[in-house]
Amino acid sequence: NAGVMQNPRHLVRRRGQEARLRCSPMKGHSHVYWYRQLPEEGLKFMVYLQKENIIDESGMPKERFSAEFPKEGPSILRIQQVVRGDSAAYFCASSPSGQGAEGYTFGSGTRLTVV
Amino acid sequence: GESVGLHLPTLSVQEGDNSIINCAYSNSASDYFIWYKQESGKGPQFIIDIRSNMDKRQGQRVTVLLNKTVKHLSLQIAATQPGDSAVYFCAENYGAGSYQLTFGKGTKLSVIP
Repeated sequence: NAGVMQNPRHLVRRRGQEARLRCSPMKGHSHVYWYRQLPEEGLKFMVYLQKENIIDESGMPKERFSAEFPKEGPSILRIQQVVRGDSAAYFCASSPSGQGAEGYTFGSGTRLTVV
Repeated sequence: GESVGLHLPTLSVQEGDNSIINCAYSNSASDYFIWYKQESGKGPQFIIDIRSNMDKRQGQRVTVLLNKTVKHLSLQIAATQPGDSAVYFCAENYGAGSYQLTFGKGTKLSVIP
């Protein structure tokens, strides 16, 4: 039981480049959530996805950010034209059900640094 | 603004002593609360949870207390060990069927050997 797998663990991008963050949920979990953590802050909800569907993207910035969870493969959080303010830790969580937060399991995160 | 917050941003305790980490929340509709431990470079790790129909729940060396009257949550760690050094977050979940967690900013616990 491998848990929630995120890669890469660390990602460095120059301003204007694209960042792609990947998340494979726990086995048996079909609900994926992305959270962002700024330095010395708590995590903030970004988006909730099920296979091939975005259920709630109310926490996503309107521009440059997108997420997907295809039928096959991991969930992807994509940030286009990165800026320094995008530097943060991005965590993915998965759960067996979208009803409530029980069973939430977080991955180890991807730390994005924009230089 | 934040609906979940913490009274103490840092806490230093002697090894073997008990630790108490506090958290205030503002949404009276929240009915599920979780404490997470986050070690440096890692993701949040579940410690203990509590539903709003309870006021106390115990785990191994940890106890969570919920006071709905004053919207306060605390995490007690008994016989604190160096391995307990981490940042601790409380998170709240609004109502049945809600999947979002709202996190506070965290308290850094440092255990002095």
